[in-house]
Amino acid sequence: AQSVAQPEDQVNVAEGNPLTVKCTYSVSGNPYLFWYVQYPNRGLQFLLKYITGDNLVKGSYGFEAEFNKSQTSFHLKKPSALVSDSALYFCAVRAFNNNNDMRFGAGTRLTVKP
Amino acid sequence: DAGVTQSPTHLIKTRGQQVTLRCSPKSGHDTVSWYQQALGQGPQFIFQYYEEEERQRGNFPDRFSGHQFPNYSSELNVNALLLGDSALYLCASSLTGADNQPQHFGDGTRLSIL
Repeated sequence: AQSVAQPEDQVNVAEGNPLTVKCTYSVSGNPYLFWYVQYPNRGLQFLLKYITGDNLVKGSYGFEAEFNKSQTSFHLKKPSALVSDSALYFCAVRAFNNNNDMRFGAGTRLTVKP
Repeated sequence: DAGVTQSPTHLIKTRGQQVTLRCSPKSGHDTVSWYQQALGQGPQFIFQYYEEEERQRGNFPDRFSGHQFPNYSSELNVNALLLGDSALYLCASSLTGADNQPQHFGDGTRLSIL
């Protein structure tokens, strides 16, 4: 069965600095990887996905993520953080040809300080 | 184009009661997944419905049951409520066969058990 680990409960960065939110995964076969963001009292909002192809994927709001197969990682990055990026971020994995079961990490709370 | 809608937004119940939560999928989607998100945790997969049948189930007891209607909307039922069932319940919709597409989430129903 697939699983996701987000090793940091919290990440703090200053506005304008680059940010990284870490994610590692475990899955049999090729993975589909996703990042979602959650604001207070809201559902999960899709940011970006890796399916196949280029290891660097770009998503919404200036976010990007790098797929590293050898390290089984899919870290979320942004070159310049905004205060409005402060939220809860979730990494998720789904096994190829398994539409049924998406596994989420425990989440990382990102705080961007002015 | 309406996204995923869930009702009610908040619900307060007491132990032993039963509850029904409702979800309408995004237009064009035929598959509904339900997740439980406890405070401070990532979403946990409960089950998924497709063609009005439960297609896959996570590690949740039989107290959790569901239904999908011909219009693809879905209900989540929880019987004999426990204090530990207090959580945000998220509905996500997708299109079966579009494996490389993300699930779309509603804003959830916040269930509090007293």
